[in-house]
Amino acid sequence: EVRLVESGGGLVQPGGSLRLSCSASGFTFSNYALTWVRQAPGKGLEWVSSISSSGGRTYYADTVKGRFTSSRDDFTNTLYLQMKSLRVEDTATYYCAKQVVTVGVTGQFDYWGQGTLVTVSA
Amino acid sequence: SSELTQDPDVSVALGQTVRITCQGDSLRIHYASWYQQKPGQAPVLVMYGKNNRPSGIPDRFSGSNSGNTASLTITGAQADDEADYYCDSRDTDGDHLVFGGGTKLTVL
Repeated sequence: EVRLVESGGGLVQPGGSLRLSCSASGFTFSNYALTWVRQAPGKGLEWVSSISSSGGRTYYADTVKGRFTSSRDDFTNTLYLQMKSLRVEDTATYYCAKQVVTVGVTGQFDYWGQGTLVTVSA
Repeated sequence: SSELTQDPDVSVALGQTVRITCQGDSLRIHYASWYQQKPGQAPVLVMYGKNNRPSGIPDRFSGSNSGNTASLTITGAQADDEADYYCDSRDTDGDHLVFGGGTKLTVL
């Protein structure tokens, strides 16, 4: 059974930092690109960042580029999102997601975690 | 970067057919995926690629594409289909992903 479990969310002040983790199981972790998607309270889904299966390529939304960094540890099957210089508008539930295909970064997310809430507030 | 446009609200009578659309330039190059999201839950993939339905998704869900528009059709809508629906696709530059704004489907 595929499982994705996010952790690390919480309350942080504007300008602060936070690291999210996504622990994966039930599939060959190193074969798949992985993605972070967020959803502000009452709003729609927003793509945040993707990382290739090798970890050699990362992709970021313009809204987080230069502030967020995705990484992965294929030994512990864990995906990370390091967030710095956080803004009030970064407040959202952050989901990690696995895509259907192994090649490229395509969307087509067949498994999602339950999400972890990040609140940026003074 | 590209955008994907969805109607914010769509309604359908129980048992009838409804089409939810997603428009954007990236859809001329890339297929859309479709997700169903119910309150308090993570999204669920219901359609991807040309017309691929993940295991466990009822066959009343189908997808189609024409030009810059992708469509998700529910034939014989059920009360359980009431949810928010989102499309996504790769951006025109291929290095980004983009989501539509979402469609709230109400089953009357």
